[in-house]
Amino acid sequence: QSALTQPASVSGSPGQSITISCTGSNSDVGGYDYVSWYQQHPGKAPKLMIFDVSNRPSEVSDRFSGSKSGNTASLTISGLQAEDEADYYCLSYTSRRTWVFGGGTKVTVL
Amino acid sequence: EVQLLESGGGLVQPGGSLRLSCATSGFKFSDYVMNWVRQAPGKGLEWVSVISEDSSTRQYADSVKGRFTISRDDSRNTLYLQMNSLRAEDTAVYYCAKKVCATGPCGGLDYWGQGTPVTVSS
Repeated sequence: QSALTQPASVSGSPGQSITISCTGSNSDVGGYDYVSWYQQHPGKAPKLMIFDVSNRPSEVSDRFSGSKSGNTASLTISGLQAEDEADYYCLSYTSRRTWVFGGGTKVTVL
Repeated sequence: EVQLLESGGGLVQPGGSLRLSCATSGFKFSDYVMNWVRQAPGKGLEWVSVISEDSSTRQYADSVKGRFTISRDDSRNTLYLQMNSLRAEDTAVYYCAKKVCATGPCGGLDYWGQGTPVTVSS
């Protein structure tokens, strides 16, 4: 059960937009619209940012958006802010009725 | 206010056992699928196990299958993880997490506990 593939790090300047990819296979990301994204600050529990590919919880800023094409899901952060600096993880349902996380991406605000 | 509070972590020798608990409040526990997720020191998140609302379906990551057992007590609004035959690689912070929707298919974990640390070492 291999982890989904995410870039190790992504960076951007304040106000810019960045996109984090999450690549799997037809058995997970490509086969189901059950991809979610989590933000984790050091020493804290993860926070849900996007669920079901593109749905945003009401308390999450609309600067965060999600999408999917084929076997790759993406999280876009628009208007990058210092507080967005954190680790981000994707999570997908799989054909084995289990779940699998991506390896995580460290976002740095320059 | 939704709250999840894990307990039961600690130091255990290789081959030993621990039972983690996750006490919940602020939502109708019996309506929701619940999960365990862990994070080894300095590493990423790893999904561990899921249990359906009625306990009829339980799934595990390959890394813990046959050694860990997930269960729930709806009368106590509490989720459990029985961990046997523990290995050094099970050392991690263990989180319980609630599925975002009560009915129908969906994917996402909207509330998490603060985590309980488990250290497997001699």
